[in-house]
Amino acid sequence: AQSVAQPEDQVNVAEGNPLTVKCTYSVSGNPYLFWYVQYPNRGLQFLLKYITGDNLVKGSYGFEAEFNKSQTSFHLKKPSALVSDSALYFCAVRAHNAGNMLTFGGGTRLMVKP
Amino acid sequence: DAGVIQSPRHEVTEMGQEVTLRCKPISGHDYLFWYRQTMMRGLELLIYFNNNVPIDDSGMPEDRFSAKMPNASFSTLKIQPSEPRDSAVYFCASTRGVSEQYFGPGTRLTVT
Repeated sequence: AQSVAQPEDQVNVAEGNPLTVKCTYSVSGNPYLFWYVQYPNRGLQFLLKYITGDNLVKGSYGFEAEFNKSQTSFHLKKPSALVSDSALYFCAVRAHNAGNMLTFGGGTRLMVKP
Repeated sequence: DAGVIQSPRHEVTEMGQEVTLRCKPISGHDYLFWYRQTMMRGLELLIYFNNNVPIDDSGMPEDRFSAKMPNASFSTLKIQPSEPRDSAVYFCASTRGVSEQYFGPGTRLTVT
């Protein structure tokens, strides 16, 4: 079985400050890891993914994430938050041998205040 | 590309009525997924197709739910009869191979 935990329901950060949204996972074997963002009344939008290779993955809108195998984590980061980054963020995992089914975390609401 | 297209965007119906949600995946994608999102349960995978064939429907809540994919460019999710607890946002997503999934805008279903 595969699972994802996003331990924070909400993260608050001031505009211009760095942000981190946490994600830990559990999967048999090597993972595919994804981050998605959801704006109000919209579908999920792909941000970035880790498949293999470099542990630091860069994605859209200045976001990046670091894969840490020993800690089974894939935290989302951005050096300088924007008010427009305020949204719901989802981490997702799939094992290499688990067909094409993604398991999503419960989501973390990011609030960036001016 | 137009992205994943879903219709209708909003649906309000009475308990007991049949509801049909529609999805057009991105051209060339060979996987299609149906998800349901609620505050209580988060994002749940209901069913997914590969090359129009259902692969895993273990997330379908009960026999009132059914999904079809008659061709590569169209899928439906049907609820019959609908119940208030089916109220949710239903998303369709598609992908090619094992790449990232692309989500449609969703259908907000309200069953009264």
